[in-house]
Amino acid sequence: EVQLVESGGGLVQPGRSLRISCTGSGFNFGDYGMSWFRQAPGKGLEWVNFIRSKLYGGATEHAASVKGRFTISRDDSKNIAYLQMNSLKTEDTAIYFCGRGVTVRGSKYWFDSWGQGTPVSVSS
Amino acid sequence: DIQMTQSPSTLSASIGDTVTITCRASQSISNWLAWYHQKPGKAPKLLIYEASSLQSGVPSRFSGSGSGTEFTLTISSLQPDDFATYYCQQYADFSVTFGQGTKLEIK
Repeated sequence: EVQLVESGGGLVQPGRSLRISCTGSGFNFGDYGMSWFRQAPGKGLEWVNFIRSKLYGGATEHAASVKGRFTISRDDSKNIAYLQMNSLKTEDTAIYFCGRGVTVRGSKYWFDSWGQGTPVSVSS
Repeated sequence: DIQMTQSPSTLSASIGDTVTITCRASQSISNWLAWYHQKPGKAPKLLIYEASSLQSGVPSRFSGSGSGTEFTLTISSLQPDDFATYYCQQYADFSVTFGQGTKLEIK
């Protein structure tokens, strides 16, 4: 069974950093692109960033709202994708979900499995 | 970024009804569209990808159609488990975007 489990969320002050993790099991983690999404309280879903599998060069993409502050990375030996969040703002408060990307020829991805999310609260 | 607009924002229906949710893209996305539903406090669940392909394990009462800029999700014979919030998502480019959501409520 495919499983994704996020961890590492919590309360952090504005301007500080936090790293959260997404651990995969039940599938060959290294074969898939991985993405982070978030959902602010009472709001809809927002894509955050994406990392391709090594087969497609491991390149990353980021939403404009987090570019330069957030970084996605992966350690396929541990089946983990990371989200490093720097210079956090109060508007980054959200539940953060990871998702497994399914691709057609490496250029289009939809997300077939999601974790349950980890909450991040940015407040002084 | 490609903007996605769903309608209606809220939909009230009864068990056994058939409902349709519409999603419009601000520019053509071919068939690069997925549908998800989400229950409070839970992860989104993929229902449809490539506009009309049913995800494995999803009941056949869910169906998707459309291409270009206009898409629909139809749920026939509503079941209690179907009452949730539904989102469309375009993945025509890497800046993936979602519709604002449609909350399906029990009438």
